[in-house]
Amino acid sequence: GESVGLHLPTLSVQEGDNSIINCAYSNSASDYFIWYKQESGKGPQFIIDIRSNMDKRQGQRVTVLLNKTVKHLSLQIAATQPGDSAVYFCAETTFPNDYKLSFGAGTTVTVRA
Amino acid sequence: DAMVIQNPRYQVTQFGKPVTLSCSQTLNHNVMYWYQQKSSQAPKLLFHYYDKDFNNEADTPDNFQSRRPNTSFCFLDIRSPGLGDAAMYLCATSGRRETQYFGPGTRLLVL
Repeated sequence: GESVGLHLPTLSVQEGDNSIINCAYSNSASDYFIWYKQESGKGPQFIIDIRSNMDKRQGQRVTVLLNKTVKHLSLQIAATQPGDSAVYFCAETTFPNDYKLSFGAGTTVTVRA
Repeated sequence: DAMVIQNPRYQVTQFGKPVTLSCSQTLNHNVMYWYQQKSSQAPKLLFHYYDKDFNNEADTPDNFQSRRPNTSFCFLDIRSPGLGDAAMYLCATSGRRETQYFGPGTRLLVL
């Protein structure tokens, strides 16, 4: 698979490989984290979320990992497909302002055939 | 089934001509948000309604206003659009402390 150790704005992945998208956050009090996928010309689409009392959560072909020690969040996509090409944003909220999302910069994933 | 609906999907307006964008939701969520998104950037929160309570972000220009006549609908009014207001405008909804669900967005072009 291909991974990004630090946040990079773009990631090119071979179809069928696993991909890892990284996100760092700064607020140690952040307690809820979300990954969104945004395809060109569309609104962000919820992928998966995780609360701060967990360190891993799995969905369909996606896994989110949370490392609170280093304030790092990652999204792993298994067997990347062309339909996974999009911009991926991480976002977090902090109680009591949990109505408000703080977005990361976004990573553009391009899947090569 | 669409849960957050935005109309129109594309809006062209003239410099200085007021424009209204609309958002409706079928989720019965308490909170509705308006974001501005420019290309290659993350969405930027303009304001949100928590039930009927309006909450403006400190850096949202006065040119942007919002109305929420009922739980289902929320409007974004741009009183005098400038060229710099051309962007994608996203509506989102959430329950009291839950994930925000976004609509498809309205692409605004200012001529």
